[in-house]
Amino acid sequence: GENVEQHPSTLSVQEGDSAVIKCTYSDSASNYFPWYKQELGKRPQLIIDIRSNVGEKKDQRIAVTLNKTAKHFSLHITETQPEDSAVYFCAARLYSSASKIIFGSGTRLSIRP
Amino acid sequence: DADVTQTPRNRITKTGKRIMLECSQTKGHDRMYWYRQDPGLGLRLIYYSFDVKDINKGEISDGYSVSRQAQAKFSLSLESAIPNQTALYFCATSDTNSGANVLTFGAGSRLTVL
Repeated sequence: GENVEQHPSTLSVQEGDSAVIKCTYSDSASNYFPWYKQELGKRPQLIIDIRSNVGEKKDQRIAVTLNKTAKHFSLHITETQPEDSAVYFCAARLYSSASKIIFGSGTRLSIRP
Repeated sequence: DADVTQTPRNRITKTGKRIMLECSQTKGHDRMYWYRQDPGLGLRLIYYSFDVKDINKGEISDGYSVSRQAQAKFSLSLESAIPNQTALYFCATSDTNSGANVLTFGAGSRLTVL
């Protein structure tokens, strides 16, 4: 079946430090892995995504890495800032079900001043 | 972002009542989705639709039904609401022409079932 597990559920880091959130997926046919950020009281918004033919992607302070063999992908946020405080969701799209995007359970990231 | 509009934004109802949540979009996207958000459980897919003639069950469709009245409108119904359907419901859209990967979410509809 299709399952995405996300860890940790909560994460607190000092401002300026790095944060890492990890996800694993069950279906090896998954080929697209987005990350969404949900600020308090707001809707989820895409912040970065990666396809299965790429191992790493960066966008300023955020990066995502993908290990297809291990069925594992991670979000890395460097030089964290207060505005990075939010809930982050990983997700995976099954190749054979193009519109079916399955989400992880979310990580609440808090940045300590 | 008024591109995906959900109504109502908040609703309190009683067990056994029929509830409809509505979603409309002006983005011209062909694909629409309903997700449910519960604390610690992430976003779970209820139903999704590729176009007006296509409806698919998601992870947790029991107790829910949907209607795609037009390309721009996708409504979610709870035929007989129960307390464990208390949650935040999100409608989302995506565009086949752009690869159908990026979801644009509405602002959410918070439903409380007493």
